[in-house]
Formats: sequence, structure tokens, C-alpha cells
Amino acid sequence: NAGVTQTPKFQVLKTGQSMTLQCAQDMNHEYMSWYRQDPGMGLRLIHYSVGAGITDQGEVPNGYNVSRSTTEDFPLRLLSAAPSQTSVYFCASSYGNPAGNEQFFGPGTRLTVL
Amino acid sequence: DAKTTQPNSMESNEEEPVHLPCNHSTISGTDYIHWYRQLPSQGPEYVIHGLTSNVNNRMASLAIAEDRKSSTLILHRATLRDAAVYYCILDQTGANNLFFGTGTRLTVIP
Repeated sequence: NAGVTQTPKFQVLKTGQSMTLQCAQDMNHEYMSWYRQDPGMGLRLIHYSVGAGITDQGEVPNGYNVSRSTTEDFPLRLLSAAPSQTSVYFCASSYGNPAGNEQFFGPGTRLTVL
Repeated sequence: DAKTTQPNSMESNEEEPVHLPCNHSTISGTDYIHWYRQLPSQGPEYVIHGLTSNVNNRMASLAIAEDRKSSTLILHRATLRDAAVYYCILDQTGANNLFFGTGTRLTVIP
């Protein structure tokens, strides 16, 4: 199993550009989540999905969209990048609700918005 | 969010046990206690979780106070690869995710 994979590893954007961060898992997990981590901070939840076709907002959803058309993939879209979105983004998945199950994290995407 | 309190940083000598404390005085009866760690430049990694009884796995032990208002993650023999930020997290009944704080940065001294 590859586990949770994320692409790209690094990305530099200009203010106003849009892009999609890719996340995939091959463990047949129902739950998937996107977090951001700012320097010296813990992780904050952006969006999550409890299964294909179902998504919901987390703690800091503004400026981001998600969709879940398959169990395996959970892309995160930045609609119009802003410098405040400079961060490291982590995707995670779990077999069931993370509040009770082990959550597996990807290696992260380091995004810089100029 | 249910709150946890952890020291910002701790140090340990290599090959000695490490006890990482966590206070969670507002824990409710059905909240699990989770521990994750994050090695430098990596995503978080699951360590252990428990509800009431002490738990052991290949990575660590989790000691939970009888009143559940605190817990301790025990690394039995610290290695340099254990240097990481350790997060103590309460899941909350009905919540669909975990809420990470800032954790404890563990430094292991050779």
C-alpha cells in the first residue's frame, strides 16, 4: 500500500492564482480530511469527508473547496490564492471516524503564495 | 473544543524513559484520549489512544489517571528518532475529527 499520497510536494503561487492540491489513499478509507499547519502551530481542519459524495466544513474553510467523487481521491482547491494561505497542507484518512480510529497522514504540500 | 494542556517542550537523554504529561480536566465520559507525533518535515503519525484503562503498543504506553483528567504518554527508551512534537488530543463524542493543539516538542539528547 502506498498509504496517503499528496502532490505536489512544493508549490509557489502568485496572489489570485488558483490551483488544486491532490490527495489519494489506497486503503479504502471512508474518512478523509484536509488540514493546514502554519509555522509553530498545530494543525487546523479545513474540510473533511465522511464518504464519497459527502463533504463538510472544518475550522478554517474559507478560500477552499473540496469534492469527493471517489473513495480514493479528495482534492483541495484554492480558488484565488492569498498570502494568508501560505502554509503546509496535510491530507489524512481513516477507516472510520478519526475520533476513535487511527488517522493516516500524507507527507504534506508546502505552499507559498507571493 | 475540549482542551488539553501540555508543556511546550521537554528534553530527555537517549535510552532513558520519557513521560509526556497531558491535562484534560474538561474531558467527558466518552472522550477518547489520542496521542500523535510529528517528526520534522513529516505529517503527524498515530502513536496510541485509550479511554479508561492503560494501553500499551509497540511504540509507547498510555497511562490514564483514574479520574481521567490527565494522562501520560510513556516512551520506555527514548531514541534520537523519537525527537518530535507530541500532540495529546481528545476526540469528542459526535465530532467527526480531531482537534490538534500545539503539542510538546521533545528533544532527545545523545
